[in-house]
Amino acid sequence: GAGVSQSPSNKVTEKGKDVELRCDPISGHTALYWYRQSLGQGLEFLIYFQGNSAPDKSGLPSDRFSAERTGGSVSTLTIQRTQQEDSAVYLCASSLAGGNQYEQYFGPGTRLTVT
Amino acid sequence: GNSVTQMEGPVTLSEEAFLTINCTYTATGYPSLFWYVQYPGEGLQLLLKATKADDKGSNKGFEATYRKETTSFHLEKGSVQVSDSAVYFCALTNAGGTSYGKLTFGQGTILTVHP
Repeated sequence: GAGVSQSPSNKVTEKGKDVELRCDPISGHTALYWYRQSLGQGLEFLIYFQGNSAPDKSGLPSDRFSAERTGGSVSTLTIQRTQQEDSAVYLCASSLAGGNQYEQYFGPGTRLTVT
Repeated sequence: GNSVTQMEGPVTLSEEAFLTINCTYTATGYPSLFWYVQYPGEGLQLLLKATKADDKGSNKGFEATYRKETTSFHLEKGSVQVSDSAVYFCALTNAGGTSYGKLTFGQGTILTVHP
């Protein structure tokens, strides 16, 4: 079946602009995670969704970052007033449910470059 | 908080050589431990996992044993192939109810295997 998909695959934006990154999880997966992979910070957790709710937003680095999930499916990560330090690969993962017994399946990522 | 420390890379080996990538962790309670692999141009994928002490995870000739006494989960393979060239990430999740399965990653180790 189809895996996790993300769009766009690459995004170049100017400092100060807003960007939206999209994630389509595997159908039927109730848990969805966003991670960020950057040279300086490695791979770090951003936010977790169970259904449409986000019980854990502890990894969002600032209030410029927000995310939502609708219909228990598609999720959008929005970064407002982008800064150069936001340049990274943003990864989305989904799993059948939240919890460490469920395997997370990762999408190919969106490479964000802020100029 | 949780943390994962991986052996510094990059690691360069000849085909059929023995591979060890060290991984140690800090976590409360009884985490689950994982190795993820990222092949060139592909997304992160789960390589193997272990959910309790003394468990051995294995896949594709790779093995790792959950050692609680040394808080380690070293990755090994007896004979590497060129196709094993990739970035390897050690990771953990906490078993606690509020962890939601979110992954804490090590910094990644780049492995290059030459013919």
